[in-house]
Amino acid sequence: QKEVEQNSGPLSVPEGAIASLNCTYSDRVSQSFFWYRQYSGKSPELIMSIYSNGDKEDGRFTAQLNKASQYVSLLIRDSQPSDSATYLCAVKRSSSNTGKLIFGQGTTLQVKP
Amino acid sequence: NAGVTQTPKFRILKIGQSMTLQCTQDMNHNYMYWYRQDPGMGLKLIYYSVGAGITDKGEVPNGYNVSRSTTEDFPLRLELAAPSQTSVYFCASSPQGSSYEQYFGPGTRLTVT
Repeated sequence: QKEVEQNSGPLSVPEGAIASLNCTYSDRVSQSFFWYRQYSGKSPELIMSIYSNGDKEDGRFTAQLNKASQYVSLLIRDSQPSDSATYLCAVKRSSSNTGKLIFGQGTTLQVKP
Repeated sequence: NAGVTQTPKFRILKIGQSMTLQCTQDMNHNYMYWYRQDPGMGLKLIYYSVGAGITDKGEVPNGYNVSRSTTEDFPLRLELAAPSQTSVYFCASSPQGSSYEQYFGPGTRLTVT
């Protein structure tokens, strides 16, 4: 089992819809979770971080964390073609005090006009 | 703030050649990381550093070396380049503390032929 798993996609949604991206992790006591957006040919850009159970909203983005079920998700409301990118989920191991993150392989999102 | 900068942007190496990928950050971050990303794949950690003079191996260190003489700089050295090292290389940094958010440089696209 991979430490951080994501469906590689592509996930295709129409413009204006809600895109839901999911990520599961294996380390039960992980505490820090991140979502990065990566446009083709570009570097990963941090868009959300979440540290406690529940929802965290930032504009059109909502991160959801459920530690009991070991999953973290990213919702994108009112999806735009400019949201088309690969979204990487990252988790910090609980045992690590070096800041090392484990990345999933990413989910490709396509928003169709 | 320039953030994390990397040079060069592109490089073609012949098998057996050596080179150094440069990484500099101006955010006074203690932690720095080198990743490689192969097409369609996630990020794999090559080396990391928690401060000047301290480095350690990540999950794919073979064929690479690093040094950290200052807080700002974290160069990655490739010795005896091999085709398997063809990849995109990203440098990242994060502040020490509870957030562990990592910020990425623009990347170096390396081809070994």
